[in-house]
Amino acid sequence: EVQLVQSGAEVKKPGESLRISCKASGYSFTSNWIAWVRQMPGKGLEWMGIIYPGDSDTGYSPSFQGQVTISVDKSISTAYLQWSSLKASDTAMYYCARHLGPRVTGFFDYWGQGTLVTVSS
Amino acid sequence: SSELTQDPAVSVALGQTVRITCQGDSLRNYYATWYQQKPGQAPVLVIYPKNNRPSGIPDRFSGSNSGNTASLTITGAQAEDEADYYCYSRDSSANLLGVFGGGTKLTVL
Repeated sequence: EVQLVQSGAEVKKPGESLRISCKASGYSFTSNWIAWVRQMPGKGLEWMGIIYPGDSDTGYSPSFQGQVTISVDKSISTAYLQWSSLKASDTAMYYCARHLGPRVTGFFDYWGQGTLVTVSS
Repeated sequence: SSELTQDPAVSVALGQTVRITCQGDSLRNYYATWYQQKPGQAPVLVIYPKNNRPSGIPDRFSGSNSGNTASLTITGAQAEDEADYYCYSRDSSANLLGVFGGGTKLTVL
């Protein structure tokens, strides 16, 4: 059974760093892209970026380029989303999702449960 | 602003048919994927490219495409279908990037 299990909720102060995780199981981790999706409170889904665990090829939405870093640790089948300096506007639910098929024509078939990040002074 | 445009809200009477649409230039070249999201839950895949349904999704859900518009149709809407629905496809200016529509809140009356 494919599962994506995300790390728990975080409460941080502006300017702090943070890394959240998404542990995959039930499939070959290196064979499927994994993406991160943001959902701000009461708002819609936003595609942040995507990574191919096989070779760490990565792509970012222009809205998130330079603001976050996506990475993986193949040895433990885990993807990460990282901030070096959080802002209050980073407060949101963050989802990881497995991408099935080629990068251009594929889609997300499994989602993590979400990690709520709250940034407040 | 999203490059995939959805109506913010749609309502349907219980048991009736409703169509949720998604417009965007990329839909002329790429199929849409549709997700259902209920409050406090992660999105769930309901229609994937070439208008296929994953196992476990009722056959009252169907997808279609015409020109720059993708549609999700629910035939005989049920109370449990009340949710937010998002279309997903490629960015029209950079097809390696994905983009979601703004979402449609479906209310079942």
